[in-house]
Amino acid sequence: KQEVTQIPAALSVPEGENLVLNCSFTDSAIYNLQWFRQDPGKGLTSLLLIQSSQREQTSGRLNASLDKSSGRSTLYIAASQPGDSATYLCAVKDGGSQGNLIFGKGTKLSVKP
Amino acid sequence: DAEITQSPRHKITETGRQVTLACHQTWNHNNMFWYRQDLGHGLRLIHYSYGVQDTNKGEVSDGYSVSRSNTEDLPLTLESAASSQTSVYFCASSESRFHEQYFGPGTRLTVT
Repeated sequence: KQEVTQIPAALSVPEGENLVLNCSFTDSAIYNLQWFRQDPGKGLTSLLLIQSSQREQTSGRLNASLDKSSGRSTLYIAASQPGDSATYLCAVKDGGSQGNLIFGKGTKLSVKP
Repeated sequence: DAEITQSPRHKITETGRQVTLACHQTWNHNNMFWYRQDLGHGLRLIHYSYGVQDTNKGEVSDGYSVSRSNTEDLPLTLESAASSQTSVYFCASSESRFHEQYFGPGTRLTVT
């Protein structure tokens, strides 16, 4: 059964720092991996989608990488801002679960001014 | 702009009552999903549909049902609400199994 783990559960950094959020998954047979952002009391906003054949995707200050063979993905945030404070969720589209998303429990990021 | 909406946004109900949560999307997506989000468990899939008249059980489907009579809507019904179903419920849709999923704003349900 696919399991997705995100470490750390919480992270606090000063404004301006570059940071990396980690996501690992146990079964490399995935179709794609998606990173989301969730603000308190809100829904999920899709940030980046990486297909299984891709190594990375970029959007503005965000860069997500995928190493399927080792079961890892990272989300790199450059020059962090207080507005980046949110919970970041990683989810894999699992080949064994009829192609449904399996979520990690998230990393809660706090960027201090 | 295309969007996905959920109603109500907040609901308080009593144990044993039947409750229906609405989900409506205007993207004309074939695929729709219902998740629940609980502290310590993250997001878990309840039911999903890959098209009209198609419904499938997810990881935590007991006590829930869905029906898909058109492309735009996938209502989630709690047959007899239980306190264990107190949660935040999210609806999502995607163009295909392999495209991004887009999420609604969520419904906070409290069962007393």
